[in-house]
Amino acid sequence: AQRVTQPEKLLSVFKGAPVELKCNYSYSGSPELFWYVQYSRQRLQLLLRHISRESIKGFTADLNKGETSFHLKKPFAQEEDSAMYYCALSEGAQKLVFGQGTRLTINP
Amino acid sequence: NAGVTQTPKFQVLKTGQSMTLQCAQDMNHNSMYWYRQDPGMGLRLIYYSASEGTTDKGEVPNGYNVSRLNKREFSLRLESAAPSQTSVYFCASSEGLRRGYTFGSGTRLTVV
Repeated sequence: AQRVTQPEKLLSVFKGAPVELKCNYSYSGSPELFWYVQYSRQRLQLLLRHISRESIKGFTADLNKGETSFHLKKPFAQEEDSAMYYCALSEGAQKLVFGQGTRLTINP
Repeated sequence: NAGVTQTPKFQVLKTGQSMTLQCAQDMNHNSMYWYRQDPGMGLRLIYYSASEGTTDKGEVPNGYNVSRLNKREFSLRLESAAPSQTSVYFCASSEGLRRGYTFGSGTRLTVV
């Protein structure tokens, strides 16, 4: 079965410091991976997709098939980045499997 | 543009009571989903509907039933609520996973 693992439940960094949220997956085919974010009192929303190779709000994520990872990175954290982050894997192009989530706190 | 609307936002049930969570989307999406969110467990899929007229079990379907009433609406029913079903429930819709899910605001359910 496909699995997504986010090893850190909580991550706390200072404003201006680099951020890396880890995501590892297990999947037998060609994976499609996503990062979703839930800001306080807001709905879950798509942050970025690996196929788009995009940078959103300064965040990037590179798919590493050798290490089966899709870590989310930002060089300089901002206070507004504090949120719950979920890594997700497309399963059979019909549904997403989510990781356990990482709560990111940016300290001033 | 409402997107995905869930009702109710909050609910407290007694063990054994039944209730239906409602979800409606106005984006003409084919696929709809019900997830539950629990601390340390992330989001787990309960049921999904790839298209109108079809429903399939997800990872944690026991104790739940669903109805895809039409293309817009996808309801989740708890026939006999249990404390283990205390959770936040999210409905989502999608028109192709590459475009992502659109989520509702969630229903916080407490079973006592």
